Amino acid sequence: QKEVEQNSGPLSVPEGAIASLNCTYSDRGSQSFFWYRQYSGKSPELIMFIYSNGDKEDGRFTAQLNKASQYVSLLIRDSQPSDSATYLCAVTGDYKLSFGAGTTVTVRA
Amino acid sequence: GAGVSQSPRYKVAKRGQDVALRCDPISGHVSLFWYQQALGQGPEFLTYFQNEAQLDKSGLPSDRFFAERPEGSVSTLKIQRTQQEDSAVYLCASSFSRTNNSPLHFGNGTRLTVT
Repeated sequence: QKEVEQNSGPLSVPEGAIASLNCTYSDRGSQSFFWYRQYSGKSPELIMFIYSNGDKEDGRFTAQLNKASQYVSLLIRDSQPSDSATYLCAVTGDYKLSFGAGTTVTVRA
Repeated sequence: GAGVSQSPRYKVAKRGQDVALRCDPISGHVSLFWYQQALGQGPEFLTYFQNEAQLDKSGLPSDRFFAERPEGSVSTLKIQRTQQEDSAVYLCASSFSRTNNSPLHFGNGTRLTVT
């Protein structure tokens, strides 16, 4: 079992809808949680990080963390075609970031 | 420079050749990581440096892989006797501090193709 699991997708949503991405992790000692966006052929780009249980909002993005369930999610509101990318969930307990395989999102115009 | 710089962007090697991949991190960043990303997968950890010290090399797939960061800045990942399974994108990332909540900044990667 991989340390970080994500829905493989692809996830297709209409423009303006909410895209919901899920991630679970196996290491209960994980302390920091990140969402990266990766466009095809490009490097990962940090879009959100969350350290405490609950919700964290930044513009159209909301990250949710539930450490008891070992679950972290990302919501993208008012999805735009420019949000079409692969979203990588990453967790760390010390210094090493472990990534999921990513969920590919396609926003239909 | 403003970001993490990697070179070359693309490298084609014949099986058995040695390759060297370079990473120039953001100035002042203490931590430097190398990751390997296969097509359709997330990045997989290879190795970690804190300044010039290689503190973790547990992710290096074999003894053909070697990384160094002799002056605590530029890092080189060397792969000896390349094999087809080494074909991947190699990502370098740096962060300002040693703590686990310091975000990683990634370079654009080197796409290695072994023929």
